[in-house]
Amino acid sequence: SQTIHQWPATLVQPVGSPLSLECTVEGTSNPNLYWYRQAAGRGLQLLFYSVGIGQISSEVPQNLSASRPQDRQFILSSKKLLLSDSGFYLCAWFTGYYGYTFGSGTRLTVV
Amino acid sequence: GQQLNQSPQSMFIQEGEDVSMNCTSSSIFNTWLWYKQDPGEGPVLLIALYKAGELTSNGRLTAQFGITRKDSFLNISASIPSDVGIYFCAGMGSGAGSYQLTFGKGTKLSVIP
Repeated sequence: SQTIHQWPATLVQPVGSPLSLECTVEGTSNPNLYWYRQAAGRGLQLLFYSVGIGQISSEVPQNLSASRPQDRQFILSSKKLLLSDSGFYLCAWFTGYYGYTFGSGTRLTVV
Repeated sequence: GQQLNQSPQSMFIQEGEDVSMNCTSSSIFNTWLWYKQDPGEGPVLLIALYKAGELTSNGRLTAQFGITRKDSFLNISASIPSDVGIYFCAGMGSGAGSYQLTFGKGTKLSVIP
């Protein structure tokens, strides 16, 4: 079966610390993958998307970066977190006919 | 770029009432999708619409793909407390970029028991 996994579910990190959020999909190959951020339970802001290994498109220049080291793995990173990086981060996978399947999200609080 | 205008931004309704929300776009889409996000979770697909004029139901939910292909609405009948959440519309085009959805900003629904 096709599934998407995202972890961790919650994270509290101090300002200036590094970040690594991981997303993996199972049951498919060469998926299109996306990272979104959602602030205060509102709209979805597209951060990065990837159509293949090593291929990253950035939608919003900021303190974050993304990498696609393996076909079914998408990682969101930061070298030094800012308070403004707090939010709810969602990974998504384009399933074609049915649009996106989203991961369960990571609640990041930068303190 | 493409933008979706979703309204209303938020709604407070009594349990048992019907709910209506809609999305409009300046561009044509070939597919309209409606998602629901429960608090603290990722959005989940509710209804997908693939043809202009299409009217599709999923239990108490009904959605329509506008004839102009630039709008869609979602209705929820006889609301219950578990309908609480954020509802997102999304449009999907065709050709280059068709693998990327354009989302509305969401309608936050609160149901008063």
